[in-house]
Amino acid sequence: EVQLVESGGGLVQPGGSLRLSCAASGFTFSSYWMSWVRQAPGKGLEWVANIKQDGSEKYYVDSVKGRFTISRDNAKNSLYLQMNSLRAEDTAVYYCARDHYHGGYSAYWGQGTLVTVSS
Amino acid sequence: QSVLTQPPSVSGAPGQRVTISCTGSSSNIGAGYDVHWYQQLPGTAPKLLIYGNSNRPSGVPDRFSGSKSGTSASLAITGLQAEDEADYYCQSYDSSLSGLYVFGTGTKVTVL
Repeated sequence: EVQLVESGGGLVQPGGSLRLSCAASGFTFSSYWMSWVRQAPGKGLEWVANIKQDGSEKYYVDSVKGRFTISRDNAKNSLYLQMNSLRAEDTAVYYCARDHYHGGYSAYWGQGTLVTVSS
Repeated sequence: QSVLTQPPSVSGAPGQRVTISCTGSSSNIGAGYDVHWYQQLPGTAPKLLIYGNSNRPSGVPDRFSGSKSGTSASLAITGLQAEDEADYYCQSYDSSLSGLYVFGTGTKVTVL
């Protein structure tokens, strides 16, 4: 059974940093592109970033470029999102998702972890 | 910001048919990229409902169907049931610089 479990969310002050993790199991992690998608309270879904199987390609939505870094450790079956210079508008539930292929759909999602940026 | 536009809400009585539109542009749906649909029940993660414009993953009832034409796509729910009350999002790929994956604005389906 495919499982994605996010962790690392919490309350952080504006300008602060946070590192999210996603532990994957039930599939060959190193064979799939992986994404982070977020959802602000009461709002819609927004794709944040994704990363190729070997980590050699990474893509970001404009609003997080230069502040967020996606990475992975295939030996640990883990996906990460390093978030720096956080802003109030980054407040959201962050989901880890497995891409079926680059540019395609996400067939599996984690339960999400809440990040709150507030003073 | 979302580049795929959906109606904020649709509603129908049990057993009825409802449709949700998803309007894009020449850089996403109109460019030939596939459209996918997700269902999000309250307080839960999104669930893949339709992939590749009209394909259902295993376990998704055939009451759900998808189609695509030009710069738009649609999700239809026939034989509406109480458990279909949820938020629905379309998603595609966008060739512009703003982002690779784009989601629709989301539609709340209410079963009357």
